[in-house]
This record gives sequence, structure tokens and C-alpha cells, in this order.
Amino acid sequence: KQEVTQIPAALSVPEGENLVLNCSFTDSAIYNLQWFRQDPGKGLTSLLLIQSSQREQTSGRLNASLDKSSGRSTLYIAASQPGDSATYLCAVDTGRRALTFGSGTRLQVQP
Amino acid sequence: SQTIHQWPATLVQPVGSPLSLECTVEGTSNPNLYWYRQAAGRGLQLLFYSVGIGQISSEVPQNLSASRPQDRQFILSSKKLLLSDSGFYLCAWSLAGETQYFGPGTRLLVL
Repeated sequence: KQEVTQIPAALSVPEGENLVLNCSFTDSAIYNLQWFRQDPGKGLTSLLLIQSSQREQTSGRLNASLDKSSGRSTLYIAASQPGDSATYLCAVDTGRRALTFGSGTRLQVQP
Repeated sequence: SQTIHQWPATLVQPVGSPLSLECTVEGTSNPNLYWYRQAAGRGLQLLFYSVGIGQISSEVPQNLSASRPQDRQFILSSKKLLLSDSGFYLCAWSLAGETQYFGPGTRLLVL
């Protein structure tokens, strides 16, 4: 059974810092890995999707990497801003047409 | 462009009452549809997914059911709610092999 773990559970940083969120998964047989953002009481917004054959994806100040063999992914956020404050969720697609989510990292960027 | 709608946004129901949550998708055809639940302090748990009209797969045993009466309509139901059914219910859609797009969610409180 696939299990996804995210570390840290919560993170507070001053504005302008670069930061890294970690995600690990137990079964390396994945189709893709996705990072989502969730604002309090809201739905999820897709940030980046990395196919299993890819090593990284970039979108603006966000960069996600994937090391499938070791079961790890990182989300790098450059020059963090208060508007980046949210919960970040990692999810893997094992080809069963559904995603397995981690419990998220709650990020607070202090102005 | 595609949009996904969920209603109601918030619902307070007594234990033992029935439930019907609705999700509709616009701007795409034959999407895969999903129901997730996010309980307080926990990650997202897949409840049901559907790859076509009348085709429902259940991921976890529970007193909830799902139906897909039309291509872009997905309904989550219960005949008798339990306290443990409280949570944030998210509907999502995707096309095969692509990222999932989430609706705004329904917050359910069972008293």
C-alpha cells in the first residue's frame, strides 16, 4: 500500500527566504507526482505535476524535483512571500486513477 | 475553459439524516470524477472514483455511496449520517493521465 509522508508538518519563515518542502513515498512504482496548494477552507490548486520519467518541473518561483528510485520529491520555493502562506500537499498517482496524498506542510511566511 | 462546481458550500445535518452532495463539471467530456474527504487534522482520503456514467469504484467501506447519473455530474449520498462523516468533501475531475482539478469543497458538520 502506497504511503506518502510530508516533512515538516508546519513551517514558519520570514519573507524573502528560500525554502524546501519534503515528500516521500513508499512505493516507487508511480505514474506521476503532484504538488498542490490549499488555502484554509478552500479546494486544492495544482502547482506542479512531474511525470515519472521527469526529474523536475519549474513554474515561476516554484521548482519540484523527483527521485523516483529513492521515493522522494522536494518543492523549492524561492524568495517566499506572505501570499505563499498555505498548506502544501504532495500526492502520487500509482495508476489506479486516484491520488494518494500526504498530510501536508502548513507554511506561514511572516511579513 | 473547464470549471467544477460543488454545492452546498456548507451543510449542518443531524445524525441519522440523509445526505446529498452534488458536483458538476463544465467544459469537458467523459472526465474521470473523484470524491475525497479531508477530516480535521488528516490528509485527503479518496472515497469514490468514476471513469464513466454508472461506473463507480469505492475505495473504503463506509455508509456513503456515490452515483454518476450524467457524464459530468457526480453525487455523494448517505441514507443515515454518522458523526464520523463530518469533514471537508472535495470533488475532482481529470482526463486520463493528467492532473486532477479540484472543486471548492463542501464543509459538512454532523451534530
